[in-house]
Amino acid sequence: KNEVEQSPQNLTAQEGEFITINCSYSVGISALHWLQQHPGGGIVSLFMLSSGKKKHGRLIATINIQEKHSSLHITASHPRDSAVYICAVRYFGNEKLTFGTGTRLTIIP
Amino acid sequence: NAGVTQTPKFRVLKTGQSMTLLCAQDMNHEYMYWYRQDPGMGLRLIHYSVGEGTTAKGEVPDGYNVSRLKKQNFLLGLESAAPSQTSVYFCASRLFSGTDYGYTFGSGTRLTVV
Repeated sequence: KNEVEQSPQNLTAQEGEFITINCSYSVGISALHWLQQHPGGGIVSLFMLSSGKKKHGRLIATINIQEKHSSLHITASHPRDSAVYICAVRYFGNEKLTFGTGTRLTIIP
Repeated sequence: NAGVTQTPKFRVLKTGQSMTLLCAQDMNHEYMYWYRQDPGMGLRLIHYSVGEGTTAKGEVPDGYNVSRLKKQNFLLGLESAAPSQTSVYFCASRLFSGTDYGYTFGSGTRLTVV
């Protein structure tokens, strides 16, 4: 059983909509990462969080340590945001990242 | 441009053949990693290195070997390829262990073993 759960697995939305992708994990972590992977492409690191909230352009990532939950938000979504978004966590004392299986986002013009 | 470069990008191997995947980074990162990505599964760590001359096993190390003779290069070897090793392989690096440093990933190597 994967220790990192993402929802939804697939999400289709109209251009301009506000997008939320969720990530839950099972035990305490030292860091949580949000990654983006375009079809057939490489992986880009979007955020690394250990607490609170971070913002970069139209992307916002939040984390609630007590609830073991993180969200990635996209404001004013655009077709170029279409990609797979992956959540990954690093547990204390462990060099390994544990990855979720990703959320496939499609933004329709 | 600074980053992580993987070679080759695509490769088809016959069962039993050997090959080496090269990962090179020019960011002076200490930590380097090899992951594999399979459909329906998250990325899984094969091996990693915390510095030149050091390597360690990840969660799926069987059938693979690695070397980090130079800080900028991390090699992944398959001594006798098997169809189960058909996958997309990603290399990643990061500066060092810390809460404010993210990962840089390569563009991936798509390997098919027939």
